Amino acid sequence: DTGVSQNPRHKITKRGQNVTFRCDPISEHNRLYWYRQTLGQGPEFLTYFQNEAQLEKSRLLSDRFSAERPKGSFSTLEIQRTEQGDSAMYLCASSLRSSGNTDTQYFGPGTRLTVL
Amino acid sequence: LAKTTQPISMDSYEGQEVNITCSHNNIATNDYITWYQQFPSQGPRFIIQGYKTKVTNEVASLFIPADRKSSTLSLPRVSLSDTAVYYCLVAPEYEGFKTIFGAGTRLFVKA
Repeated sequence: DTGVSQNPRHKITKRGQNVTFRCDPISEHNRLYWYRQTLGQGPEFLTYFQNEAQLEKSRLLSDRFSAERPKGSFSTLEIQRTEQGDSAMYLCASSLRSSGNTDTQYFGPGTRLTVL
Repeated sequence: LAKTTQPISMDSYEGQEVNITCSHNNIATNDYITWYQQFPSQGPRFIIQGYKTKVTNEVASLFIPADRKSSTLSLPRVSLSDTAVYYCLVAPEYEGFKTIFGAGTRLFVKA
């Protein structure tokens, strides 16, 4: 257990529905990342926050995806009008950006999304 | 952004030492090398990180030659539970958001 938690662990939805995932990072970590991973591939970067500010967003990220991190604590990732191609594992990671340490990311267990 | 190349898969037997080599020819001066382990249906788990020479922790060793264009993850005396995917990553020291995961190396440990 890395200290990063994600909920739910599994989500099954029908095409066209909206889904929301939650990530609780390690408490003192100021950076939070979202990744997507499909079978047989490595995690693919989606977006990241430093505190409450969303600083980077992948160009591959559809407008149907939105992420928030209110108050710089937990984060939510919402997918609107889900498509079957959105089926994947959604991973959250957190890190501590400060002087004297590298930006090592610690991952949560992931949320497995299945779109029917 | 530095890209990495590592073998797609490796087989080993219990008790053996396993060495997984990663190439990163375009590594930049401020890039660090990090290795993660991932089991099915779990998130990647940090194993080890280094900048140059040798780093050792309770799990593994990381060897980085002087030119830093490659690195080798060494797992001593593997067990069945070490069967997993291992990712080699290169990213700037303070810019973890520039981390790019490849497909990793699938290590299969046999009895």
